Amino acid sequence: QQQVKQSPQSLIVQKGGISIINCAYENTAFDYFPWYQQFPGKGPALLIAIRPDVSEKKEGRFTISFNKSAKQFSLHIMDSQPGDSATYFCAAILEYGNKLVFGAGTILRVKS
Amino acid sequence: DVKVTQSSRYLVKRTGEKVFLECVQDMDHENMFWYRQDPGLGLRLIYFSYDVKMKEKGDIPEGYSVSREKKERFSLILESASTNQTSMYLCASSPTPTGGLQYFGPGTRLTVL
Repeated sequence: QQQVKQSPQSLIVQKGGISIINCAYENTAFDYFPWYQQFPGKGPALLIAIRPDVSEKKEGRFTISFNKSAKQFSLHIMDSQPGDSATYFCAAILEYGNKLVFGAGTILRVKS
Repeated sequence: DVKVTQSSRYLVKRTGEKVFLECVQDMDHENMFWYRQDPGLGLRLIYFSYDVKMKEKGDIPEGYSVSREKKERFSLILESASTNQTSMYLCASSPTPTGGLQYFGPGTRLTVL
């Protein structure tokens, strides 16, 4: 049972463009929504995260938008660079929980 | 810097072999996790451990077992490897409460022939 649905599966963006990855969740008890970034040959690493009481969080070129009523959240990468080419995973976790539920991942390629 | 290390980057085994994947973390974290990563399926939790000698099944535990005799070490065991266990295996650790933050190792690419 996939509790976090992520789309698209892959994405190609021109350098300088905006990359957008979307996720939807089912369990309204989820309390924290992190995004992980994985480069080839490496394990995933935390990129940015948001709580449901905030509609947007920005860190540099990376922004999470959160829509609690629609149970959706998305990652926007502004001014996308070739170095952003990686696999991105959205995730969700219950308050005080220890287990993350991951989306299926999006392979992003930024063309120079 | 938190470091999670996995014993092998690449491993090739034969069907029916017993396979051990080792993971070590150096941050005194209570929680440790084993995932497998397959294209289009994301990261699926196999087992996790919240304390020494404590373990809990994840979403896909069938065909796997785990061992945690010491806090820093978490082992994944494939009792009798099968070809459908060919995958990337990722270990992670986190403090308690985890706060959504897990530290991942580089992964072990296991091929079962």
